[in-house]
Amino acid sequence: DAKTTQPTSMDCAEGRAANLPCNHSTISGNEYVYWYRQIHSQGPQYIIHGLKNNETNEMASLIITEDRKSSTLILPHATLRDTAVYYCIVRVGNTGGFKTIFGAGTRLFVKA
Amino acid sequence: DTAVSQTPKYLVTQMGNDKSIKCEQNLGHDTMYWYKQDSKKFLKIMFSYNNKELIINETVPNRFSPKSPDKAHLNLHINSLELGDSAVYFCASSLNRVLRTDTQYFGPGTRLTVL
Repeated sequence: DAKTTQPTSMDCAEGRAANLPCNHSTISGNEYVYWYRQIHSQGPQYIIHGLKNNETNEMASLIITEDRKSSTLILPHATLRDTAVYYCIVRVGNTGGFKTIFGAGTRLFVKA
Repeated sequence: DTAVSQTPKYLVTQMGNDKSIKCEQNLGHDTMYWYKQDSKKFLKIMFSYNNKELIINETVPNRFSPKSPDKAHLNLHINSLELGDSAVYFCASSLNRVLRTDTQYFGPGTRLTVL
């Protein structure tokens, strides 16, 4: 089972920041938080990942709380093309490696 | 250049038939995966291969048989197709799943419809 909980859906106005929350209260100290998104009918796309520090790349920023029990993905200036399902994932240790388990995700609607 | 490619993109077939889906990655990754996304949109891992060796088999029926001829290819063969097999199948690859940070790259998906 996924170790994360996310809101089912969110709306955002085009040009505004989209803040997508994720709870991962049972995360272990060495487990990373990953974000992917899936635009309709396409394969999931990697966005960003982090352990404890805030991270930023050309797509988004990831803010992780100090206790690591929750995080927020920020799309600074959402566009219509950012409408997608966003998955917050904690990679869990597994036999011989780590496992990526996708939950239900948050469906983000960016509106003009 | 496409990083992870799958063929075919669409597959429509009758119940009871046998079909295969092919996947290739040109990223030099060690690990490849097959995922199934059903009509409810949940993305579930089916298999994972690391350097041609089966690592994960998530209680998938024996009718599904993955084959990895080399680490750049992971094919999925399905015998005796059933209506419930209708879904979108995604192939993915990553550098190596033993790594604590390991990003997966997904193919465009194969939409399988069983009539």
